Amino acid sequence: DGGITQSPKYLFRKEGQNVTLSCEQNLNHDAMYWYRQDPGQGLRLIYYSQIVNDFQKGDIAEGYSVSREKKESFPLTVTSAQKNPTAFYLCASSTASHQPQHFGDGTRLSIL
Amino acid sequence: AQRVTQPEKLLSVFKGAPVELKCNYSYSGSPELFWYVQYSRQRLQLLLRHISRESIKGFTADLNKGETSFHLKKPFAQEEDSAMYYCALIDFNKFYFGSGTKLNVKP
Repeated sequence: DGGITQSPKYLFRKEGQNVTLSCEQNLNHDAMYWYRQDPGQGLRLIYYSQIVNDFQKGDIAEGYSVSREKKESFPLTVTSAQKNPTAFYLCASSTASHQPQHFGDGTRLSIL
Repeated sequence: AQRVTQPEKLLSVFKGAPVELKCNYSYSGSPELFWYVQYSRQRLQLLLRHISRESIKGFTADLNKGETSFHLKKPFAQEEDSAMYYCALIDFNKFYFGSGTKLNVKP
């Protein structure tokens, strides 16, 4: 189903390489989020954006960067500074920052 | 600081048995709490939120401020309820999720 699309589904990164995860939504939502999911740890917030051209760090922003140039897009770059990038990454959006979130299918990032 | 705690990683019950998935939170003030569910091969999705005070798929959750809990309950579990369940809290426009409980309903 539509709504939020994350791509690719699987991504492999070499040591020292930056990679970008895509997140697009057609729900006309103002707020967008990136989470990291590790086994046994639930979801942890990396970055969030309440409106276009604005974003804030979450709890584990180190080694990541984002941009929000368009309302429908919120790409996440995993930089070489992120020493433990292997994880499942989830993107979400909501009408406003205090409203329930809609999630994408996720991207699984692995290190070669 | 851990804002949401789900003490059980796995909960197994038989079909027709009552089920309670525990969620405890730490928050000063009036919390806004949610339960999300992820069925096999599906996206994480909202199950219910406490301010709605509604029952979804037979599940209910009551906020107990004295015990700082928001346990999810269903009187008669069904096999299709088998999924991962996450409790979540909003704090200053950010969601905090628990580590999740896997519910396994056995036939």
